[in-house]
Amino acid sequence: GQNIDQPTEMTATEGAIVQINCTYQTSGFNGLFWYQQHAGEAPTFLSYNVLDGLEEKGRFSSFLSRSKGYSYLLLKELQMKDSASYLCAVYSGAGSYQLTFGKGTKLSVIP
Amino acid sequence: DGGITQSPKYLFRKEGQNVTLSCEQNLNHDAMYWYRQDPGQGLRLIYYSQIVNDFQKGDIAEGYSVSREKKESFPLTVTSAQKNPTAFYLCASSNTMYQETQYFGPGTRLLVL
Repeated sequence: GQNIDQPTEMTATEGAIVQINCTYQTSGFNGLFWYQQHAGEAPTFLSYNVLDGLEEKGRFSSFLSRSKGYSYLLLKELQMKDSASYLCAVYSGAGSYQLTFGKGTKLSVIP
Repeated sequence: DGGITQSPKYLFRKEGQNVTLSCEQNLNHDAMYWYRQDPGQGLRLIYYSQIVNDFQKGDIAEGYSVSREKKESFPLTVTSAQKNPTAFYLCASSNTMYQETQYFGPGTRLLVL
């Protein structure tokens, strides 16, 4: 089966740095996505990792370790608008065409 | 502007009624998907389509039906057999189905009267 774990909620202060972790146990691995979802809105694409290492994109970075089944999303210089849920999703299995989503981490940014 | 549209934004269903949710994309994507999102749960796949006139069941297809007669359109019908339809429904598309980024529409919230 497929299992993706993320913390349910996190709180961080405006201007700070926060790391959101994601661990996965899947039958095979073909890539990991991070999406941002504001309440009541559609998820929007943040990053895609298929190889080990860090991918940086402005204030957002995503890291992947395939041997550990682990990824994190790093948000720097937090802004109030970063308050949202962050979804980790994995393509798994040979020739798998389905994304499996974690339950999401609700991040609250406080002044 | 290229994108995915869903309508309506809110939909109310009476007991025993079938309702259809619309999803249209002008991104020229081959693959389209329907997900259901419940509070505290991850997105769960209902149906997906790799190409016109072809679609496959996802993890929670019971009580739902779809069609894919045109590349840009992938409507979802919630039938009376779906006993717990209250949820946020999200349509997505991707260029192909192989490890491609999925882009989401704004969603339809379905409520039961």
